Amino acid sequence: KNQVEQSPQSLIILEGKNCTLQCNYTVSPFSNLRWYKQDTGRGPVSLTIMTFSENTKSNGRYTATLDADTKQSSLHITASQLSDSASYICVVSSETGANNLFFGTGTRLTVIP
Amino acid sequence: DAGITQSPRHKVTETGTPVTLRCHQTENHRYMYWYRQDPGHGLRLIHYSYGVKDTDKGEVSDGYSVSRSKTEDFLLTLESATSSQTSVYFCAIGREKVEQFFGPGTRLTVL
Repeated sequence: KNQVEQSPQSLIILEGKNCTLQCNYTVSPFSNLRWYKQDTGRGPVSLTIMTFSENTKSNGRYTATLDADTKQSSLHITASQLSDSASYICVVSSETGANNLFFGTGTRLTVIP
Repeated sequence: DAGITQSPRHKVTETGTPVTLRCHQTENHRYMYWYRQDPGHGLRLIHYSYGVKDTDKGEVSDGYSVSRSKTEDFLLTLESATSSQTSVYFCAIGREKVEQFFGPGTRLTVL
């Protein structure tokens, strides 16, 4: 069964600290993996997208990694800011099938001063 | 929000009434999607469209219908709303099947 699991469900960190969010998936055949940021009351916004051949992708203070062998991805946030408080959603695309996007339930990050 | 608008942004309705949500895009993207988002669940696909008048069902399509008569508009209809359809609804668009840009969402409450 194609699934995407994220951990932790929620996380609270101090402003300025780093953190890492995890995504494990069983989707096959794999096409790409995206990390989205969703602010409260807003739609998700894409942070990074990685294909099978990419193992690292950065977007400012956000760095995503992908290990296609172990089917794991992580999103590392450096020097967190209050504006990083949001839900982070991992989405894995399959190459086949009509419904070929699989969503994780997200990690809720809260950055406190 | 990548040229996507949703209307209304908030709606409260009663069980048994019909409800139509509208998604409008200015990007001329081929693909349009309707999702619902509920606590404890990831975004779940309701219906999607791959062109004018071309639509297909998603994971949770029961109780919903869609129509796409123009490239820019994708309508989601709840023929007879139920309390289980209380949710936040997101429209998304994409040039390709694996590309998704999301709208701002519509919060629907069915009493």
